Amino acid sequence: DVKVTQSSRYLVKRTGEKVFLECVQDMDHENMFWYRQDPGLGLRLIYFSYDVKMKEKGDIPEGYSVSREKKERFSLILESASTNQTSMYLCATRFGTSEYNEQFFGPGTRLTVL
Amino acid sequence: GNSVTQMEGPVTLSEEAFLTINCTYTATGYPSLFWYVQYPGEGLQLLLKATKADDKGSNKGFEATYRKETTSFHLEKGSVQVSDSAVYFCALRTRGSNTGKLIFGQGTTLQVKP
Repeated sequence: DVKVTQSSRYLVKRTGEKVFLECVQDMDHENMFWYRQDPGLGLRLIYFSYDVKMKEKGDIPEGYSVSREKKERFSLILESASTNQTSMYLCATRFGTSEYNEQFFGPGTRLTVL
Repeated sequence: GNSVTQMEGPVTLSEEAFLTINCTYTATGYPSLFWYVQYPGEGLQLLLKATKADDKGSNKGFEATYRKETTSFHLEKGSVQVSDSAVYFCALRTRGSNTGKLIFGQGTTLQVKP
């Protein structure tokens, strides 16, 4: 089974702090994604990566950056956390480019910025 | 642009009732369509998918038919159980999208009472 793990289930940070959210997968998938989930808005794509050191902006990249130094790990970075970044963050992975291939999701990190 | 619209929730049903969750989409081209489910405290899991018009996706008693003429992909189940209580997301992926980007609806919460 594909396993996607996220470093924390719950995180509380203060405004202005630098925050790292980590995602690790064990299935050698090329593609990794970061989404945020907000009530009434569904999931929105922040960034994705299709290979090591490769990254592309999603729909809402402002205030975020990412790092992918190893194939199995994809980090989301909030350079200076703000209260409007309080949300549930979900990591996902996918093998290959076929539109038939499934995305596998981690359990999520619920981040609260005070 | 591409978008997905789901019916407002929460939907509250008694056990063994019939379920319909409406989903309509707007897309350029000819998308693939998906239903994901999120059980409490967990990440999203693929429930079913359909990749061309008139395809029926099915899994765990749930079904959805890709209707190109009405741009819809409604989720149905004949007899719900308490264990079906979850949040359901409709999503699309446009063809030729080698990024694998999914576009999600806002989610519909289903509560099933014994």
